[in-house]
Amino acid sequence: GNSVTQMEGPVTLSEEAFLTINCTYTATGYPSLFWYVQYPGEGLQLLLKATKADDKGSNKGFEATYRKETTSFHLEKGSVQVSDSAVYFCALRNNFNKFYFGSGTKLNVKP
Amino acid sequence: NAGVTQTPKFQVLKTGQSMTLQCAQDMNHEYMSWYRQDPGMGLRLIHYSVGAGITDQGEVPNGYNVSRSTTEDFPLRLLSAAPSQTSVYFCASSYRGGDTEAFFGQGTRLTVV
Repeated sequence: GNSVTQMEGPVTLSEEAFLTINCTYTATGYPSLFWYVQYPGEGLQLLLKATKADDKGSNKGFEATYRKETTSFHLEKGSVQVSDSAVYFCALRNNFNKFYFGSGTKLNVKP
Repeated sequence: NAGVTQTPKFQVLKTGQSMTLQCAQDMNHEYMSWYRQDPGMGLRLIHYSVGAGITDQGEVPNGYNVSRSTTEDFPLRLLSAAPSQTSVYFCASSYRGGDTEAFFGQGTRLTVV
């Protein structure tokens, strides 16, 4: 089957700290992988994506690399800001065009 | 370009009442879907549609109906609201093929008392 597992939160960091949010997936075929961000009271917004193995998605200082050998798509940022506080969702889209989402990881960044 | 528009943003229902959550997109996307978001459970798929006239059940379809008479609209109907349906509901749309992302509405916060 298809599923996405991401680390439970909340994750609390100080401003300028390094961020890693782990995400692993199970899928048949060759899925596309996504990270979405949700700010309080809003819908999900695409943060970055990768469509094939070894691709790196990047946006606003965030990066994630599609690792087929470890079925992972970990989200990283070198220096977080208070404005990065949000809930982050890892997701995959399988070959039948269905999306599967992780349970979300809440990030709190303190000044 | 409005993207995905959901109405209403907030709603309070009494147990047993029915209502329709509206979702419209202006991007000519074939694929539309409804999710509910509950604390600690991420997003769970309720129903989805791959085009006008075609709908299918997702992970948690019980208590909900959908129809897709046009490409743009995908309403979600609660037949007889129950407290277990208290949740935040999101509509999403995407192109049918390949690696494109889903676009989400702002959500509807529903409380059933």
